[in-house]
Formats: sequence, C-alpha cells, structure tokens
Amino acid sequence: AQKVTQAQTEISVVEKEDVTLDCVYETRDTTYYLFWYKQPPSGELVFLIRRNSFDEQNEISGRYSWNFQKSTSSFNFTITASQVVDSAVYFCALSESYMNSGYSTLTFGKGTMLLVSP
Amino acid sequence: NAGVMQNPRHLVRRRGQEARLRCSPMKGHSHVYWYRQLPEEGLKFMVYLQKENIIDESGMPKERFSAEFPKEGPSILRIQQVVRGDSAAYFCASSPRLRRDEQFFGPGTRLTVL
Repeated sequence: AQKVTQAQTEISVVEKEDVTLDCVYETRDTTYYLFWYKQPPSGELVFLIRRNSFDEQNEISGRYSWNFQKSTSSFNFTITASQVVDSAVYFCALSESYMNSGYSTLTFGKGTMLLVSP
Repeated sequence: NAGVMQNPRHLVRRRGQEARLRCSPMKGHSHVYWYRQLPEEGLKFMVYLQKENIIDESGMPKERFSAEFPKEGPSILRIQQVVRGDSAAYFCASSPRLRRDEQFFGPGTRLTVL
C-alpha cells in the first residue's frame, strides 16, 4: 500500500525566511505522480505542482521550488522569502496508476501547517 | 470554463438526519472522486465513479454512506443518519476521460453534525 509522510506538523517562520516542507512517500509502483496542494484558511485546495516519477528534474516557479529525490523517496517543497499570504496547510499527495484498470486515486499526507508571521 | 462545483459549501445537520452533498464535475469530465478530510487530517479517498457506475468504493464506510453519479445531473454523496463523527470536509474531484491521473478539486462541502 502506498503511504505519504509529512513529518512536520507545524512550522512557524518570520516573513522573508526560507522554509522547506518535507514529504516522504512509499509505493511499490514504478509509475506514479507526486503532488503538492495548498489549503488556505478558506478551506479550498489549491493545486501547486504535479511531478511524474520519471522526471527527477527539480522545478522552480517564482518563490516555490521542488526537490524530487527518487533515491530517498522524497519530494520536498521550498518557499523562498516567505510571505504572510503563504500561511496555509500544505499537503503532499501520491497518485498510483492502476495500469490494468486505468484509474488512479490520491493518497495524501496529513499536511504541514505553515504559519508566517510579519 | 467553470471548475468543479460543489454545493452546498456548508451544511449543518442534527444527529440522525440525512446529508446530501452534490458535485458537478468540470465540463467534459466523466470521472468523479470523493475524498473526506477529517479535522486536522489529510484527505482520504472514499469512492470513484464514472457515469452510472461505481468503480471503486474501497474507502467508503460500510454503512450509511452511498454515492451515485447518474447519467444526467451531479454526483451525489449521501450520508444517512449522520453522527458527530461524520463532521468533516468532503471534497469532490473530477478528471477527463483520457487523463485519469489529473484530478481537479472542487471547493469542498463542510458538514457539521450537531
């Protein structure tokens, strides 16, 4: 069975600090997708990134960057120069493709609450 | 192009009542997934449906919960005789027929059972 672990329950930083959110996953599949979602206090889920298991290139999008290390089964998320608006719960998720049936479901970690204070 | 729509956004029920949660997938999407987020937890998969078919309900509680996705109209998640432990946020996601690995989430329905 697949599993996603976000060991950090809550992180508090001061504005402009860099912060890294950890995500470790377990899966027996060779083909899978990894995701990060943001859940602000309003409650909706905001999609941030999807990464294919075959693509280990790191990705940068503005102040956000992701480090995918297949050797350690980790997909960490870094926010550079954090801002108050970054305060939210961040979820890492794993999608396992069911090759025979063709569908997949997402397994989520428990989330990391990030609090950025001014 | 409207996203996934869920209604109501907030639902309050008393113990023993029924809760009906609706999900309208994105236009052109025929696959619907329901997830439940208990307080301070991540989302957990409940059920996956295609039009008129339940494909995978391995995450659904065995009793009181049911889901449908009729040929016409939204997908419905129905909870009978709600209990306080059913209080949670229920998220629906949809995916296009040919890209099942992409799931687009709705804003969620927050169910509170008094």
